[in-house]
This record gives sequence, C-alpha cells and structure tokens, in this order.
Amino acid sequence: GQNIDQPTEMTATEGAIVQINCTYQTSGFNGLFWYQQHAGEAPTFLSYNVLDGLEEKGRFSSFLSRSKGYSYLLLKELQMKDSASYLCAVMDSNYQLIWGAGTKLIIKP
Amino acid sequence: GAVVSQHPSWVICKSGTSVKIECRSLDFQATTMFWYRQFPKQSLMLMATSNEGSKATYEQGVEKDKFLINHASLTLSTLTVTSAHPEDSSFYICSASENDHSYEQYFGPGTRLTVT
Repeated sequence: GQNIDQPTEMTATEGAIVQINCTYQTSGFNGLFWYQQHAGEAPTFLSYNVLDGLEEKGRFSSFLSRSKGYSYLLLKELQMKDSASYLCAVMDSNYQLIWGAGTKLIIKP
Repeated sequence: GAVVSQHPSWVICKSGTSVKIECRSLDFQATTMFWYRQFPKQSLMLMATSNEGSKATYEQGVEKDKFLINHASLTLSTLTVTSAHPEDSSFYICSASENDHSYEQYFGPGTRLTVT
C-alpha cells in the first residue's frame, strides 16, 4: 500500500529552527509537496521537490532523497505565525496526490 | 493569480436535507477539480476528481449517489451532499488544476459543514 509518515506534533521556540521529516512509500513518484495549513483554513503551497537535494525559499527549505523515500521541511527564524499543520504529499505514478496526516507545529515564545 | 473560491464558507443544516457547495476558479480555467474532505486532526481525503463536461471519478468508499458532483464549466464545480447526516459533518475543500494532473493544485478556502 501507499504510505506517508510524518510526526503528529512538534514544538519549537520562536526564533529557532525546526525540521519536519516525512517518509513515504508510494507506487511511483512524480514529486513531493509540502503544504501549510492553519486551523480551519485550506492548505497553501510551500514547496515542490522532484529531484534530490535542497530547495531553499526564504525561511523555508525542503530536502528530498528519492533513494531513501525521505524528505524534510526546514523552517528557520521561527515566528508565531508559523504555528500550523504542515502536510507532506507525494504524487504517485497516476499523478494522484497521496497525503500525510500532517504535523502540527506549536511555536512557543 | 490562481485563486479558487468556495461558497458557502460554512453551513449548518438539518439531518435529511441537501447542501450544495460551489467551487470556482476565478482567474484561470480549471480543467480538473478535486474535492476533499477533512475530519478534525486528520489529513485530507480525496473524495472525487472531476473534469469539465464529464462524470466525476470517485474514490473507493465514496458514495456517488450521496455526494453529487457537477463540473459544468471550466470555472465551476459543485458538490451536493444529499440527505445529509451528522456523520457528514466535516471540512470540505476543493482544489483546481489547469491540467489533467493534480500537479499545482490551487485550493479553495474550504467549507465547514455541520449537520444537526
């Protein structure tokens, strides 16, 4: 079966750095997405990785290792507004998005 | 650009009634629209995929007669929850894509449905 694993919840301090991991097992691979979702709102796109390596975009970076079936989202200089759920999703060989359950990130002052 | 709207943003209805949710792509033509359901503290669950002018493709376990999807134009798709029950209470989110693949889905703001 297809499976996306990410931690349920993480806590970090304002101004610090946090890494959210995601491991996946899917039938085929056409890219990995990270989305941010604030409570009661729809997801918003953060990043897309299809090749191995690190993609940096401002305070957020996303890393992919296809051979390991692994990705992480790195958030730097954490702000209170970064408190949200972070969803990892993989596009399989049928171009369907397989979603992880999301990681709830709690930022403390 | 790439804005998707949903209406209503929240709705409360009585058990047994039907509710229609609209999803519109405001500044692009959505070849494909997706309907998701999300229960509290759970991930998005794809319900169905619809292409303009054709019947929707439902995921396993989703009742097509209960969740009616109509993708009448390149900018509008509707989801009708028929004979709603309290267990249908959920957060319903649509997304739209300019192509046949789900790459670069643009999400609507979601609709909170509460069935009493």
